[in-house]
Amino acid sequence: DAGITQSPRHKVTETGTPVTLRCHQTENHRYMYWYRQDPGHGLRLIHYSYGVKDTDKGEVSDGYSVSRSKTEDFLLTLESATSSQTSVYFCAISESNLMNTEAFFGQGTRLTVV
Amino acid sequence: DQQVKQNSPSLSVQEGRISILNCDYTNSMFDYFLWYKKYPAEGPTFLISISSIKDKNEDGRFTVFLNKSAKHLSLHIVPSQPGDSAVYFCAASESEKLVFGKGTKLTVNP
Repeated sequence: DAGITQSPRHKVTETGTPVTLRCHQTENHRYMYWYRQDPGHGLRLIHYSYGVKDTDKGEVSDGYSVSRSKTEDFLLTLESATSSQTSVYFCAISESNLMNTEAFFGQGTRLTVV
Repeated sequence: DQQVKQNSPSLSVQEGRISILNCDYTNSMFDYFLWYKKYPAEGPTFLISISSIKDKNEDGRFTVFLNKSAKHLSLHIVPSQPGDSAVYFCAASESEKLVFGKGTKLTVNP
């Protein structure tokens, strides 16, 4: 299994509070991604990173920010959590861009905003 | 606008029979397609992929077919086994991003 660890695995937080989710990899892969999974929507890309300090937005980036200060860690921050951000969040990594290679996913973080 | 579509939310088949999962896409710039499998409470895992320059790729019980003119791909599982019961996501690669469909829940009945 690819070395990807997401923390925390579960979190309940109140509306309006900031929340940070962490993705840690031991594979030294260049690319890292944050997705959210919701019923009826599948997996949607929030943000991704193609190197240290290099990040870009996905299709559902509003309300989220990311940071990658070192290769192994990719942080996702909900600046002011809302109930619509209740979801399961998955981090993924890949060795190269996704033109011809697979991504490896973490086990997910279940976030509930009350 | 959804670029990768899996129009069947669920599929139920008998053990030993063929499972066919379908996927349509709208973006002609996609040139690499993948299938991922997801069990409850786990992250998705890669299953099989196909480049747009091919029309078929086979790996054991799993075969993916690509029809570029129709912008359609399908995943065939034969014979289906109860352990194949999971949600299957179709995904397409666009540059550095992976775009997923909504998934199809496959149930293989013993």
